[in-house]
Amino acid sequence: AQSVAQPEDQVNVAEGNPLTVKCTYSVSGNPYLFWYVQYPNRGLQFLLKYITGDNLVKGSYGFEAEFNKSQTSFHLKKPSALVSDSALYFCAVREGLNTDKLIFGTGTRLQVFP
Amino acid sequence: GAGVSQSPSNKVTEKGKDVELRCDPISGHTALYWYRQSLGQGLEFLIYFQGNSAPDKSGLPSDRFSAERTGGSVSTLTIQRTQQEDSAVYLCASSNPRGSHEQYFGPGTRLTVT
Repeated sequence: AQSVAQPEDQVNVAEGNPLTVKCTYSVSGNPYLFWYVQYPNRGLQFLLKYITGDNLVKGSYGFEAEFNKSQTSFHLKKPSALVSDSALYFCAVREGLNTDKLIFGTGTRLQVFP
Repeated sequence: GAGVSQSPSNKVTEKGKDVELRCDPISGHTALYWYRQSLGQGLEFLIYFQGNSAPDKSGLPSDRFSAERTGGSVSTLTIQRTQQEDSAVYLCASSNPRGSHEQYFGPGTRLTVT
């Protein structure tokens, strides 16, 4: 069965430092992978996705993610964190072929300190 | 263009009452999803509609929950005989499985059962 894991409940980083939010997946076949962000009292916003092509995917707000097939990972990264990046981040994988139904991770709360 | 809209934004109801939550997906999106999120926690999948196919109801927590999608567009999530544990934010999303695949989320309905 498809699954996705976010091993960290919370990540703390100082403003200006690089950040990484981890995600690993388990799928049969080629994965479709997504990152979403949820700012306080808001709905989820799409950040980026990997479907095929380059392993390094660039998305909104300066975020990027690297698809690593051998490590079955899709970690979210940003070279220089901003306080405004503080939010809840969700990794997701498509459940199967011919569907956009997603399986979401449990979420990682990113706290960027000034 | 217009995004996913949900109404009402907030709903306070007494225990035992029925409630209806509405979702207007993005025009042309054939897939529609309902999720539940408790107090900034993870997403709980409820139900998924795709075109004219039978909906995937595997996430509905009890038979008090039901949803319909009329004319392949607007969806209504109904909770009968509400309980305090139903208090949560109910999120709706839509996607175009023949297009970009990512789900677009509405702002959610915050349901409080007193």
